[in-house]
Amino acid sequence: QKEVEQDPGPLSVPEGAIVSLNCTYSNSAFQYFMWYRQYSRKGPELLMYTYSSGNKEDGRFTAQVDKSSKYISLFIRDSQPSDSATYLCAMINQAGTALIFGKGTTLSVSS
Amino acid sequence: ETGVTQTPRHLVMGMTNKKSLKCEQHLGHNAMYWYKQSAKKPLELMFVYSLEERVENNSVPSRFSPECPNSSHLFLHLHTLQPEDSALYLCASSQVEPGAGNTIYFGEGSWLTVV
Repeated sequence: QKEVEQDPGPLSVPEGAIVSLNCTYSNSAFQYFMWYRQYSRKGPELLMYTYSSGNKEDGRFTAQVDKSSKYISLFIRDSQPSDSATYLCAMINQAGTALIFGKGTTLSVSS
Repeated sequence: ETGVTQTPRHLVMGMTNKKSLKCEQHLGHNAMYWYKQSAKKPLELMFVYSLEERVENNSVPSRFSPECPNSSHLFLHLHTLQPEDSALYLCASSQVEPGAGNTIYFGEGSWLTVV
């Protein structure tokens, strides 16, 4: 079993839709969870950062962590064409020594 | 000015060439990284430097040679590369503090094509 599983998509939605992006993981040592957004031919940029289980909201974005199920999600409300990008989940252990990325999900929002 | 700056942004090199990628971080971080990003694959960690010392080398071929002269600068020296080494090479930095997470900030990347 891979440490982090993320469906690569592509995922295509109309403008205004609610988008749900997900990752599952196998290592219970992961404590910090991140979502990065990567536009075509650019480096990844940090979008959301959460610690342990729970929800975190930032504007149209909500990150959700369920450690009991080893499942994390990123929700995008009122999606915009500018949200079209690849979204990578990442997670790290308590000591900060093991950072693992998912393969990324490619999202396309059409106007 | 972005926090992590990489040069060159694009590089085409022959298999017998020697070139270097450069990275500079302006965030005051104590760790720097090289990642490789190929199509359809997860980001692959290549090298980690913490406090200017190499702490991780994930079985990277010797044709890739990192150098970290100080906490703000990181180089990746390239020689006798193969076409399969063509990829986006990302530099990143972070402030490593055990127990406080380790948020990584990436540069824009250097697109490398080996011909």
